[in-house]
Amino acid sequence: AQSVAQPEDQVNVAEGNPLTVKCTYSVSGNPYLFWYVQYPNRGLQFLLKYITGDNLVKGSYGFEAEFNKSQTSFHLKKPSALVSDSALYFCAVRDILRGRGSTLGRLYFGRGTQLTVWP
Amino acid sequence: DVKVTQSSRYLVKRTGEKVFLECVQDMDHENMFWYRQDPGLGLRLIYFSYDVKMKEKGDIPEGYSVSREKKERFSLILESASTNQTSMYLCASSLVLWRGTSTDTQYFGPGTRLTVL
Repeated sequence: AQSVAQPEDQVNVAEGNPLTVKCTYSVSGNPYLFWYVQYPNRGLQFLLKYITGDNLVKGSYGFEAEFNKSQTSFHLKKPSALVSDSALYFCAVRDILRGRGSTLGRLYFGRGTQLTVWP
Repeated sequence: DVKVTQSSRYLVKRTGEKVFLECVQDMDHENMFWYRQDPGLGLRLIYFSYDVKMKEKGDIPEGYSVSREKKERFSLILESASTNQTSMYLCASSLVLWRGTSTDTQYFGPGTRLTVL
């Protein structure tokens, strides 16, 4: 089965410093990987995804993620953190389901990493 | 922009009540999903649907049922609410894979925080 792991429950970083939120994956076949962000009392917002191609994926709000096949990792990065980046971040991996008459992707989510950026 | 709306942001119910959580999407997506989110556990899939009147169990379907009578609407039903169903419930939608523009990205609603007393 597909799965992702986020080894850190919390990440704290000073504003202006680079940030990294870690994610490792376990898949059979080619990995389709996603990052989502959740601000307080809100739903999840899509940040970026890796399907194929360049190992460095650029997404919303200045975030990027680096896909590393040998290390089975997909870490989320930002060169300069903002206080407004403080939120809960989820890594996810897609699996394909072949149901009755349809094929769809479902996501398996990590447990989330709380990012706090202090001024 | 894709918009997924959920009928309530906050809901308080009593043990044993029947609870309906409604989700509506406006982007003609075939797939819809219900998750619950609990601290330290991430998101867990309860049920999903890939077409009207079609539904499939996810990882934790016990104590829940769903209804999809119209393409844009997916309802989660707690037949007899219990305190261990106190949680944040998130609805999401996505396009089918065979659509040329499908990216598998799921779009989420704002969530319903349900408290069962």
